[in-house]
Amino acid sequence: GAGVSQSPRYKVAKRGQDVALRCDPISGHVSLFWYQQALGQGPEFLTYFQNEAQLDKSGLPSDRFFAERPEGSVSTLKIQRTQQEDSAVYLCASSLAGATDTQYFGPGTRLTVL
Amino acid sequence: GDSVTQMEGPVTLSEEAFLTINCTYTATGYPSLFWYVQYPGEGLQLLLKATKADDKGSNKGFEATYRKETTSFHLEKGSVQVSDSAVYFCALKKRGGANSKLTFGKGITLSVRP
Repeated sequence: GAGVSQSPRYKVAKRGQDVALRCDPISGHVSLFWYQQALGQGPEFLTYFQNEAQLDKSGLPSDRFFAERPEGSVSTLKIQRTQQEDSAVYLCASSLAGATDTQYFGPGTRLTVL
Repeated sequence: GDSVTQMEGPVTLSEEAFLTINCTYTATGYPSLFWYVQYPGEGLQLLLKATKADDKGSNKGFEATYRKETTSFHLEKGSVQVSDSAVYFCALKKRGGANSKLTFGKGITLSVRP
């Protein structure tokens, strides 16, 4: 595919369940970002990878949030013991390399925690 | 910390009307500035960008000029179309370093009536 893909597109979880959200970046893109978008708000940065290295995780809201990109391509965002406040759209973006490159966004995963 | 402030919405216009969406920012140094658009049911797309003071970004009839003296990056279009109905986000990105995360405003919904 040509763009960033994310799966699942929608996820409903009961409070306390663990969830895993997947991001397939554009092939060859070195940088990968995760953002969280609450209803009616702009996206907020969660974490950043350059290849397999997680260079910044300052935006992760708690230690229940964990992200990985073991082979420098596909990335997974895991949320343990989900809470209602975790309900949001989770966006993944990738860019070719470097600080000036355009970030291309996936369609997002809408997580609803009941 | 860095922040982006967008005018309150939503905005409803008739087709062919003139559009201005205000955006101001707070950041140390000289960030790059962006407008992203999210059409209904789609992911975020880059609309235009400017990387230094007095630069003008333009695309699809939209324009925005990087104004360092007023720390602004207002989006304008001379004649809107129904197909421009979407959510518009202003964003900044710091230059340099390994982290090139985007900081977004809250977004504004534009509806264009036929």
